[in-house]
Amino acid sequence: QVQLVQSGPEVKKPGASVKVSCKTSGYSFNLYGISWVRQAPGQGLEWLGWINPYNGATNSAQKVQGRITMTTDTSTSTAYMEMRTLRSDDKAVYFCARGPSYSTSFFDYWGQGTLVTVSS
Amino acid sequence: DIQMAQSPSSLSASVGDRVTIACRASQSIKNSLNWYQQEPGKAPKLLIFETSNLHTGVPSRFSGSGFGTDFTLTISSLQPEDFATYYCQQSYSAPYTFGQGTRVEIK
Repeated sequence: QVQLVQSGPEVKKPGASVKVSCKTSGYSFNLYGISWVRQAPGQGLEWLGWINPYNGATNSAQKVQGRITMTTDTSTSTAYMEMRTLRSDDKAVYFCARGPSYSTSFFDYWGQGTLVTVSS
Repeated sequence: DIQMAQSPSSLSASVGDRVTIACRASQSIKNSLNWYQQEPGKAPKLLIFETSNLHTGVPSRFSGSGFGTDFTLTISSLQPEDFATYYCQQSYSAPYTFGQGTRVEIK
């Protein structure tokens, strides 16, 4: 079965960086993009960007462009999201999700989420 | 960017009620509209993709309709496990924006 398992919670100081991993299994990694979505406490869902594991192409939301880097390791079917220069309003649960792909545009399976706390 | 607006923001309903949630896009997104369900403290789950297609394992009491800018999610007979927050999302063009969510509470 399709699974996305994310790394554990992180506590970072303002200005630091955080890197979250998303290990996938149960499907062909190269055939689906990996999207990153975050949810601030008590708030809705915010799409951050996605990466195509086949060719490494990325597309990110303007709000986080320049601070976000998405990568993949096809040998381990793992995706990574690094956010730099963290601010207090980056505190959120970060989710990875499968999708989009060449034939689908939705996010059909999700990781369990990773809480990133930014505090001095 | 395409803006997504859901209504209502929250609603109270009883088990067995018929519930409808609306979602409006700021421009035409054709049928590129998806619905997700999120229970407190959990990851979202895909319910419906491309306006009206049920994801694997989703009960048939859920249905979706619409085209262009106006869409609806309907739960024909609300069950206890359906009390959650529902989000619409457009996948027509990046950034793939979400609605602000509709919280379905027990009356």
